[in-house]
Amino acid sequence: GENVEQHPSTLSVQEGDSAVIKCTYSDSASNYFPWYKQELGKGPQLIIDIRSNVGEKKDQRIAVTLNKTAKHFSLHITETQPEDSAVYFCAASVTMYSGGGADGLTFGKGTHLIIQP
Amino acid sequence: AAGVIQSPRHLIKEKRETATLKCYPIPRHDTVYWYQQGPGQDPQFLISFYEKMQSDKGSIPDRFSAQQFSDYHSELNMSSLELGDSALYFCASSLEGADTGELFFGEGSRLTVL
Repeated sequence: GENVEQHPSTLSVQEGDSAVIKCTYSDSASNYFPWYKQELGKGPQLIIDIRSNVGEKKDQRIAVTLNKTAKHFSLHITETQPEDSAVYFCAASVTMYSGGGADGLTFGKGTHLIIQP
Repeated sequence: AAGVIQSPRHLIKEKRETATLKCYPIPRHDTVYWYQQGPGQDPQFLISFYEKMQSDKGSIPDRFSAQQFSDYHSELNMSSLELGDSALYFCASSLEGADTGELFFGEGSRLTVL
């Protein structure tokens, strides 16, 4: 089955600086890579995702890059703000576009991002 | 917009008791997933259903069972509860075949086994 490794487990950055979280996956069949933000006591919320046919995707201060050959993908947050403090999870799965079922996401262990004022 | 609804939000049970968690997906979503998240851990995939049929199975113990009903809501039944079953249980839903594979998570049900 799929195995997702995520680093670092804790990341502390100064407000306004950039934060980078990295993940690797093992299953070359995985084609969908979302990133979730989880605040204390809440469910994970999707912040950005990328598919295997795209190398980079950006949404305002958040960007994700994917290297299929090396099987790794990264989350980049620029101009960090206090509200960015949370636990971030990367995940990987095989999605079926033709219907007929869905595989569950395999999550990384999470990164606790701390934004220092 | 309507989100994934889970109930109950909190549940306390004794060892060896039974618990049932319910999940109401976003309207028109046809796929439901269950995840278990221990304290300080990542969510672990348990099981998923597509159009009322089990579609994928993860690390769900044999003591647990789940199903998806005709209205697409899902229930997770847990029997012979153990202390280690104490966790947050998340349900997520998605629309199979949608342009994105996004899973929408509920707020979770916190199960405490004493």
